[in-house]
Amino acid sequence: AQRVTQPEKLLSVFKGAPVELKCNYSYSGSPELFWYVQYSRQRLQLLLRHISRESIKGFTADLNKGETSFHLKKPFAQEEDSAMYYCALKENSGYALNFGKGTSLLVTP
Amino acid sequence: DAGVTQSPTHLIKTRGQHVTLRCSPISGHKSVSWYQQVLGQGPQFIFQYYEKEERGRGNFPDRFSARQFPNYSSELNVNALLLGDSALYLCASSLLLSSSGNTIYFGEGSWLTVV
Repeated sequence: AQRVTQPEKLLSVFKGAPVELKCNYSYSGSPELFWYVQYSRQRLQLLLRHISRESIKGFTADLNKGETSFHLKKPFAQEEDSAMYYCALKENSGYALNFGKGTSLLVTP
Repeated sequence: DAGVTQSPTHLIKTRGQHVTLRCSPISGHKSVSWYQQVLGQGPQFIFQYYEKEERGRGNFPDRFSARQFPNYSSELNVNALLLGDSALYLCASSLLLSSSGNTIYFGEGSWLTVV
């Protein structure tokens, strides 16, 4: 069963505009949630995780257990933010990361 | 400082053949996991190994197997290749098996094309 849903395949915004990449999950326990990013011709890398509650490259994500969401937000998008973004869930008793299908973010000048 | 390294980077195989993909984790990392990423999809978990033992397995047929060596490097083997096995195979390593705050680092992957 699909545990992580990223409803947008492609999101295009103008430089300086706010951006929100949506992620919804289905899991009854207490999951760990992550955002991974893949820039062009680079490897998949961790952007942030919900337990850290930190801001990386201006991005933040808040875990909303009521809405089972973990949306990624940035108030002012930059061209260098253009990349593929994957939301991932790790079950509290498991080893695997369950990835969504990804959202391609394109920031245009 | 070397990250996770994988070989080969690209390969083409014929249906029915066998393939071996190799992975060297970051120095000091004892956990290695394998993911399959089909075009247009997110990575899908195949295996996890820790201290040379299989600790997790995803929903893949028995044609897929893996092992981890004493130096913590790993191999992924796929037998009787099908066209649908064409994908990017990602290896990832981490210091620990599974715990909060444990960061998983990915390699650049091996592109497998089955013709």
